[in-house]
Amino acid sequence: GAGVSQTPSNKVTEKGKYVELRCDPISGHTALYWYRQSLGQGPEFLIYFQGTGAADDSGLPNDRFFAVRPEGSVSTLKIQRTERGDSAVYLCASSLKTTQGGCCNQPQHFGDGTRLSIL
Amino acid sequence: DAKTTQPPSMDCAEGRAANLPCNHSTISGNEYVYWYRQIHSQGPQYIIHGLKNNETNEMASLIITEDRKSSTLILPHATLRDTAVYYCIVRVSYGGATNKLIFGTGTLLAVQP
Repeated sequence: GAGVSQTPSNKVTEKGKYVELRCDPISGHTALYWYRQSLGQGPEFLIYFQGTGAADDSGLPNDRFFAVRPEGSVSTLKIQRTERGDSAVYLCASSLKTTQGGCCNQPQHFGDGTRLSIL
Repeated sequence: DAKTTQPPSMDCAEGRAANLPCNHSTISGNEYVYWYRQIHSQGPQYIIHGLKNNETNEMASLIITEDRKSSTLILPHATLRDTAVYYCIVRVSYGGATNKLIFGTGTLLAVQP
């Protein structure tokens, strides 16, 4: 079946511009996550949605970053006034709703990311 | 979530078993051990997870020590396509906890022809 889809695969823009990155999760997955990965590092958590609401946005680095998931499916990560330090691969993952009151027995499935380059 | 320690890199001959170790000495009773891998220019790929018992699936086996302070991911017959960075992650399983994964820098496994 179809996996997590992220568009665009690459985005190059100038410092100060606004960008939107899109994530289409696996059908039926209610949980959605955004991560950011810098060169040579593991992915770092940004935000987690359960349904339409952001259950944890503690990883967003500052108020220039915002994410939405209005219908509980597709999500958009928005970055305002981009800076060169925002250059990274932005990864999206989705998972089924966890069961038995726990959080961690449903694996996350990742897309291949959007490579964002700020000139 | 407990921290993990992995060697930065390992080599393995094609066709041989690759055994990737992970130390998680501060793991608590309700934390799962997860393994992901990331092939160059792709997103992380889920491999396997376990809580106490050893686990096996079509990709790999996960051996967790009895005290749960360390684990080993085993790829039984490594191929060149298994060359990737392998991440060992421990995650809390109590209700209401965020599902986030905390990645370290992983182990770069290089499978040699």
